[in-house]
Amino acid sequence: AQSVTQPDIHITVSEGASLELRCNYSYGATPYLFWYVQSPGQGLQLLLKYFSGDTLVQGIKGFEAEFKRSQSSFNLRKPSVHWSDAAEYFCALFSGGYNKLIFGAGTRLAVHP
Amino acid sequence: DAGVTQSPTHLIKTRGQQVTLRCSPKSGHDTVSWYQQALGQGPQFIFQYYEEEERQRGNFPDRFSGHQFPNYSSELNVNALLLGDSALYLCASSLASGGPGAISYEQYFGPGTRLTVT
Repeated sequence: AQSVTQPDIHITVSEGASLELRCNYSYGATPYLFWYVQSPGQGLQLLLKYFSGDTLVQGIKGFEAEFKRSQSSFNLRKPSVHWSDAAEYFCALFSGGYNKLIFGAGTRLAVHP
Repeated sequence: DAGVTQSPTHLIKTRGQQVTLRCSPKSGHDTVSWYQQALGQGPQFIFQYYEEEERQRGNFPDRFSGHQFPNYSSELNVNALLLGDSALYLCASSLASGGPGAISYEQYFGPGTRLTVT
């Protein structure tokens, strides 16, 4: 079955601290993976994507993610979090057979000053 | 360059009524996908339109239907509304380069329409 799991529903970090949001996927072929961010009441903004090649991908707003095939993971990282990063983050897998995105349940990030 | 736009922003309907939501894709895109995001959950795929036809469909009842126009804009219609249809409805556009069988990997999302059914 094709699925995405985000184990952490809610994470709180202090401003300036590092961040890692976890994402695990289940897919029978080479996955195409995405991270989206959603601010309250807003749509989804694409942070970064992995299609192939270098397993460490850079995105916007200082985010990066590392694809690890052996662990079926695609964790999102940021070295120093800003208060404006508080939002909900979604990991997504592209299902080629259905031409659709499969989303995890999301991780809500809170940032303390 | 205009991104994906959706209208209306918010909508309140009564059970049993019908609703139509609208989406204009990003300039240059030809494929529109619709997703439902219930409170506290990730978006769920409803269906996708390409060349004015429904190309893929998720696990949603026939009460959910759609349409794509020649200018690539799209509508989502929901009949016989239920309380459980209350959600944020997201439209995503993409470019299916390579024809009908092409894959549309990168999807750009609109701000969504918040539907409340009372």
